[in-house]
Amino acid sequence: AQKVTQAQTEISVVEKEDVTLDCVYETRDTTYYLFWYKQPPSGELVFLIRRNSFDEQNEISGRYSWNFQKSTSSFNFTITASQVVDSAVYFCALSEAGGNAGNMLTFGGGTRLMVKP
Amino acid sequence: DSGVTQTPKHLITATGQRVTLRCSPRSGDLSVYWYQQSLDQGLQFLIQYYNGEERAKGNILERFSAQQFPDLHSELNLSSLELGDSALYFCASSVSGRPYEQYFGPGTRLTVT
Repeated sequence: AQKVTQAQTEISVVEKEDVTLDCVYETRDTTYYLFWYKQPPSGELVFLIRRNSFDEQNEISGRYSWNFQKSTSSFNFTITASQVVDSAVYFCALSEAGGNAGNMLTFGGGTRLMVKP
Repeated sequence: DSGVTQTPKHLITATGQRVTLRCSPRSGDLSVYWYQQSLDQGLQFLIQYYNGEERAKGNILERFSAQQFPDLHSELNLSSLELGDSALYFCASSVSGRPYEQYFGPGTRLTVT
């Protein structure tokens, strides 16, 4: 069965600090997809990134970067120079490639990030 | 704005009642997913439809059912409601049945009193 663990339930930083959100996953599939979603206080879930299991290249998008390491089953998310608008709950999620599992997302418990001015 | 619409935004009802939540996927998306977000269970997958057919089932209670119509909109029916069913219900859609990114609607907040 697939599982996603976000050990950090809550992180508080001061604006302009860098912060890394950890995500560890478990799956028996060799082909799978990893995602990060942001849930701001307004409640909607905003897609941030999708990676497949064959692509271990790190990705950078502006102040956001993602570090995927299959050897440690981790897909960590770093925000550089955090801003108050980054305050949200961030979810890591996993989807296995197919079979009878469909394409459901299995979410971690989320990490609440609070960025103080 | 993800392009996925959900109605209603809020719903308050009493125990034992039945409600219907509605979702319209993004234009062109064939797959619709329903998720429940509650304080104790977190974000949980309920059910997936692909082009009108049920594709996968998660931890969906027997009191809950869903369907996807020919115009691809979907409805989630919740019956014999209990206090514990109070949650945020999200609908998501994706391009096809493959695990492309799922785009989420704004959610329906259900409060059962």
